[in-house]
Amino acid sequence: EAGVVQSPRYKIIEKKQPVAFWCNPISGHNTLYWYLQNLGQGPELLIRYENEEAVDDSQLPKDRFSAERLKGVDSTLKIQPAELGDSAVYLCASSLGGSKGTEAFFGQGTRLTVV
Amino acid sequence: AQSVTQLGSHVSVSEGALVLLRCNYSSSVPPYLFWYVQYPNQGLQLLLKYTSAATLVKGINGFEAEFKKSETSFHLTKPSAHMSDAAEYFCAVSEGAGNMLTFGGGTRLMVKP
Repeated sequence: EAGVVQSPRYKIIEKKQPVAFWCNPISGHNTLYWYLQNLGQGPELLIRYENEEAVDDSQLPKDRFSAERLKGVDSTLKIQPAELGDSAVYLCASSLGGSKGTEAFFGQGTRLTVV
Repeated sequence: AQSVTQLGSHVSVSEGALVLLRCNYSSSVPPYLFWYVQYPNQGLQLLLKYTSAATLVKGINGFEAEFKKSETSFHLTKPSAHMSDAAEYFCAVSEGAGNMLTFGGGTRLMVKP
């Protein structure tokens, strides 16, 4: 069974440019998460989806970050415009959700470098 | 609100020695607890989880953890370290199935030959 797939793996952009990340969760997983991981720190939740509904986006900086999960499957996370401080690893994860699945499965992440 | 504290950002052990990585949590409800491992330039891989069943949980690669409610702890252990265990380890807490994970700051485990 394929795991969570993220692309691209690495991205280097200049500040003020836009960037987008893509995530394909494990088939059948209703819950999808985007986490931000700064160097040397644990991941922090940006947004959580139940199917196509964003149920927790309190930590998403909405002035520059946006996310969508059309049709409740794949998801994209966008930053516009990017700032130097956005350099980090962006992790996508998925879980069965509800009482059926307690653990989240993570993709390999997208490492963003803003120069 | 939930939080996780991992004591020791770096732990160094000799190959064959006991591994002990500490994790303390706070949660307003009975928690679900997890340990994940992260190798360089990789995502997080689940080692083990506690979801209110047995308090001693066995995971992959010989790791285990014990849930101690009175101490609000969920320390990770392995009897004998291997070189391949060198990685970053994260403890995480969730307040329900499918809910967000709150992670600790991580502990980098180094294994000396």
